[in-house]
Amino acid sequence: QLQLQESGPKLVKPSETLSLTCIVAGDFITSSGHYWGLIRQPPGKGLEWIGSFYYTGSTFYNPSLESRVSMSVDTSKTQFSLKLTSVTAADTAVYYCARHAGAHAAHYLDYWGQGILVTVSS
Amino acid sequence: QSVLTQSPSASGTPGQRVTISCSGSDSNIGSNSVSWYRQLPGTAPKLLIYRNNQRPSGVPDRFSGSKSDTSASLAISGLRSEDEADYYCAAWDDTLGGFWVFGGGTKLTVL
Repeated sequence: QLQLQESGPKLVKPSETLSLTCIVAGDFITSSGHYWGLIRQPPGKGLEWIGSFYYTGSTFYNPSLESRVSMSVDTSKTQFSLKLTSVTAADTAVYYCARHAGAHAAHYLDYWGQGILVTVSS
Repeated sequence: QSVLTQSPSASGTPGQRVTISCSGSDSNIGSNSVSWYRQLPGTAPKLLIYRNNQRPSGVPDRFSGSKSDTSASLAISGLRSEDEADYYCAAWDDTLGGFWVFGGGTKLTVL
């Protein structure tokens, strides 16, 4: 059974970089034939897609975040990471890792992590 | 403001049938399939419907999805108290190189 687990600092200062790691158990990112994604949810609000990537380097990012976002796979091939630069209080949210059901980012999201609340505050 | 439009709230009594709608445009729902996610309070979203009307294993047939042109609907029959949750629709949008869009979510209350 596939499991996703978000990991990283829960408090980030404004203007700094938010770094998040998604640990994948039960699958290898580089051989699974799936895209992997990140979604966030500000407290009390709806879901916002951040971006998705394939291990070959193909990436899709939310146009509203594209200038500040990067996603990559760890050499362990069981983790992938998010970096979001120049954060503000508006980036405070629960961040979820997820897997796409197929080898394109347009496939639905079939597995989700439990999420991690990241707060941006000084 | 979300690209996909959902009513913020819906309600029903146990046993009733409730429908949640999701409105989009030609570049998202009009061109791609819709998926629905259910989020119980304090938990992560979970896939409920994919490819407009397909249920993952374990999702009861009380849940059904449909799509027509640029709109989609989620129907829940035989409403139960445990169905009280937030429901989100989502679709791929073909503009700007492609990106995912979500609805703003519908909070379902079981009276």
